Amino acid sequence: DQQVKQNSPSLSVQEGRISILNCDYTNSMFDYFLWYKKYPAEGPTFLISISSIKDKNEDGRFTVFLNKSAKHLSLHIVPSQPGDSAVYFCAASTNQAGTALIFGKGTTLSVSS
Amino acid sequence: EPEVTQTPSHQVTQMGQEVILRCVPISNHLYFYWYRQILGQKVEFLVSFYNNEISEKSEIFDDQFSVERPDGSNFTLKIRSTKLEDSAMYFCASRSSRNTEAFFGQGTRLTVV
Repeated sequence: DQQVKQNSPSLSVQEGRISILNCDYTNSMFDYFLWYKKYPAEGPTFLISISSIKDKNEDGRFTVFLNKSAKHLSLHIVPSQPGDSAVYFCAASTNQAGTALIFGKGTTLSVSS
Repeated sequence: EPEVTQTPSHQVTQMGQEVILRCVPISNHLYFYWYRQILGQKVEFLVSFYNNEISEKSEIFDDQFSVERPDGSNFTLKIRSTKLEDSAMYFCASRSSRNTEAFFGQGTRLTVV
């Protein structure tokens, strides 16, 4: 049962353009969403998060949008840079003590110069 | 900057042997997690730990797995009798409260031969 889905395994973008990574979820109890970036042989690194009371959160080049009615969130990176090339994971959690972060399968972003 | 540290970085063990993976979470964090990532697959939740007890576990976390926080700083994952399919990267994570990001360690690569 895949509660968090990233349906695009890979995305290729040119440097300077916008990267849009998508994530869908099925559990309506999720109320906190995060994006992580991961390089090979390293642990996931936190990028940006959003609470379910918001529909947008921005941090520099990274913006996360949340559409609760569609159970969909997206990460926009603009402008994309070659150093952004990595695997991006969407994660979600519910508002309970100690609850797990449930991860999607990840999208590999390749930014070419 | 505080970080989650994991030791060893790489562990090779024979099938059937016990292994203990060690983690030092960020000192003021209250929630602790173990995740694993089999090569080429998604990051999978194993267990969460809060207030000195397991708060949630996945179906992967069967009787051969156990966790401990023996001394208030270390957080360990024990696999009692390793199987070939336990070969994976194991990530420890911690977070300070529920609706905050989890910080991940660099991982331990477990190879069962």
